[in-house]
Amino acid sequence: DGGITQSPKYLFRKEGQNVTLSCEQNLNHDAMYWYRQDPGQGLRLIYYSQIVNDFQKGDIAEGYSVSREKKESFPLTVTSAQKNPTAFYLCASRRGRSGEGYTFGSGTRLTVV
Amino acid sequence: AQKITQTQPGMFVQEKEAVTLDCTYDTSDPSYGLFWYKQPSSGEMIFLIYQGSYDQQNATEGRYSLNFQKARKSANLVISASQLGDSAMYFCAMREGGWDDKIIFGKGTRLHILP
Repeated sequence: DGGITQSPKYLFRKEGQNVTLSCEQNLNHDAMYWYRQDPGQGLRLIYYSQIVNDFQKGDIAEGYSVSREKKESFPLTVTSAQKNPTAFYLCASRRGRSGEGYTFGSGTRLTVV
Repeated sequence: AQKITQTQPGMFVQEKEAVTLDCTYDTSDPSYGLFWYKQPSSGEMIFLIYQGSYDQQNATEGRYSLNFQKARKSANLVISASQLGDSAMYFCAMREGGWDDKIIFGKGTRLHILP
C-alpha cells in the first residue's frame, strides 16, 4: 500500500546536536511538506517542496533545513540553531493542485534534553 | 493576522448527538480550498472533507458535512450521530490559490464524545 513513512517515531537528542528526521513517500506525489505541532498551536509550516531540487520556507523555517534530491524523500534537519526543537513533527505530501487533502505520515516526536 | 480561526478549544457532546465545529477563514483570493482533518490521540492526521471556493453545494462525506457560508467566510464541520470514536482533535485548514501551494491550519478543537 502507498503511503508516507516517517522515522523514527520517537527521537531523543542532546541539546546542541543536529538531528535529521526522515520522510519517504511512495505515492508519486509531487509536493511534500513539513509541519511542526506544539500543544495548543495547531500545525505550523516549516518547509515545503513542490518539485525535486526546489523548496520554499514556511512560516517557521529558522533553525531548520531540508533537501529534495529525490521525489520520494524530503528529510528535515533540526539544527542546533533551533531554540526550542522539542515538538511533534509531521510530514505530508500531495499529488498536485486538486481538491485532495494532504496525506500525512504518522509523525516523529522529537525530545531534546 | 490569523487566516484560520477555530474559536472552540474544547467541546463535550453526548454520544449520538450531532455536533458542529466552527471555523472561519480570511482570504482575499477568490480561489481557495477548505479542509477538515481529524487527529486521534495516536497523532496521525486523517483527511475528512474538502470544499472548493467555487463549489455550489456543501461537501458531504458520510457522517461529515461542511456548512460552507462563503459570504460569512465560514466553513463549519457538522458530524451527525456522533460516536465515541469521534473523540479527537479537529483541524480546519485552507489552501489559497496562486503559485504557493501550501495549506495553513487553525489551532484545532478538541472534541470529547460522552457515553
